[in-house]
Amino acid sequence: NAGVTQTPKFRILKIGQSMTLQCTQDMNHNYMYWYRQDPGMGLKLIYYSVGAGITDKGEVPNGYNVSRSTTEDFPLRLELAAPSQTSVYFCASSPDRVNQPQHFGDGTRLSIL
Amino acid sequence: SQKIEQNSEALNIQEGKTATLTCNYTNYSPAYLQWYRQDPGRGPVFLLLIRENEKEKRKERLKVTFDTTLKQSLFHITASQPADSATYLCAPVGVEGGKLIFGQGTELSVKP
Repeated sequence: NAGVTQTPKFRILKIGQSMTLQCTQDMNHNYMYWYRQDPGMGLKLIYYSVGAGITDKGEVPNGYNVSRSTTEDFPLRLELAAPSQTSVYFCASSPDRVNQPQHFGDGTRLSIL
Repeated sequence: SQKIEQNSEALNIQEGKTATLTCNYTNYSPAYLQWYRQDPGRGPVFLLLIRENEKEKRKERLKVTFDTTLKQSLFHITASQPADSATYLCAPVGVEGGKLIFGQGTELSVKP
């Protein structure tokens, strides 16, 4: 089973460029999440989705956008990359939001220079 | 606001000993709490979930306790092995419910 797949694994962007981080899951989970993890810090929730067509902001949504057109895919878009967005980004999914473990991808390491 | 704190310093122990990691939370009372393991360059992997009405949960060599009076969860690994070396994250459910709030993690190193 592939689980949660994130692409790309690494990326370097210039300030002001845009890009989309891809995330897909094959477990038919309704809930999907995007987190960022900075060194020495916990995972911070950026956006989450409770199902296709429904998204909501997490703790640190500024500078990001998401969409959820299918159950499987939950891409994260950076429109105008800034150095503060240098981080490791993790996508996760879970069957629902209550008492269920989250399944994580292996992350996208993004540097903005 | 809700705050999660884990041991910030790395924990170094000898193989065979019991490792104990601490997770403290303030300003709220989570209904449940999850623990994850994270290896370098990988995403977190779920280990255990404990609910507020459960004092203790076990899985093989792992044991989690949940003290709602102290606002603390302890994570124990008995008979630790070098393969247990990783960062361990606690994640209580947030005030709003459903969304997890992750601690910064504690790095565990088990020496042979």
